[in-house]
Amino acid sequence: ILNVEQSPQSLHVQEGDSTNFTCSFPSSNFYALHWYRWETAKSPEALFVMTLNGDEKKKGRISATLNTKEGYSYLYIKGSQPEDSATYLCAQKTSYDKVIFGPGTSLSVIP
Amino acid sequence: DVKVTQSSRYLVKRTGEKVFLECVQDMDHENMFWYRQDPGLGLRLIYFSYDVKMKEKGDIPEGYSVSREKKERFSLILESASTNQTSMYLCASTSWGGARISTEAFFGQGTRLTVV
Repeated sequence: ILNVEQSPQSLHVQEGDSTNFTCSFPSSNFYALHWYRWETAKSPEALFVMTLNGDEKKKGRISATLNTKEGYSYLYIKGSQPEDSATYLCAQKTSYDKVIFGPGTSLSVIP
Repeated sequence: DVKVTQSSRYLVKRTGEKVFLECVQDMDHENMFWYRQDPGLGLRLIYFSYDVKMKEKGDIPEGYSVSREKKERFSLILESASTNQTSMYLCASTSWGGARISTEAFFGQGTRLTVV
C-alpha cells in the first residue's frame, strides 16, 4: 500500500491569517502529486497537478510547492477567507494512473 | 461542461442485499475509480479501471466487485451488503496520462449508502 500522509488533520484560523499544510509521500517511483479542495456537499475539485521536483503552482491566494526528492508538498493559503473553509486533499499518482489520496486537512476559517 | 454522474445521491439497503452503484462519465476518460470516504480516513481506493474490462484492486477491495463493460460506465457491486459498508462512495475519472504526465481527477457527486 502506498502511504500518502497529510498534516495537520484539522486547522482553525482567523480570517486574514495565512496558513499552510503538508503532504508527504513515498519519493520512490514518483509520477505526480495532486491537490484538491473538497467543500461540504460538493465534489472534490482539483487545485493543482504537479510533476516536477521544484514545481511551484499558484491560483489566486493559494499556492503549492513540490519536493519529490524528499517526498513532500506544501499548500499555502495567503489571507484566509471564510470561503476557503474546506477539506484539502493531496493525492499521488502511481503507475497505471492509479490515484491514491491522503486523509486530508480540514480547514475552518473563522470570520 | 465535464461530467461524472453517479446514479443515486442517497441509498438505503438491507443487510445481505446485492447493491449496484453506477457511475457514468462523458469525457471519454480511460481511467475510472471508486473510493469510499469515512470520517478521519479520507478517500480510500476500492477499485480502479484503466480500460474497458480491465480492473485493479485498490486498498480496500474486500466485499466489493466492479464491472466496466463500456468505457463511459464503471459499476461498483456490493455482493452482500453489510453494515460496515455504510459510507459515502465517490466515483472519479481521469484521462490516461502516460508515465510523466498526469491529469486531474473529476468526481461524481457521491452516493451516501446506508446499510441497515
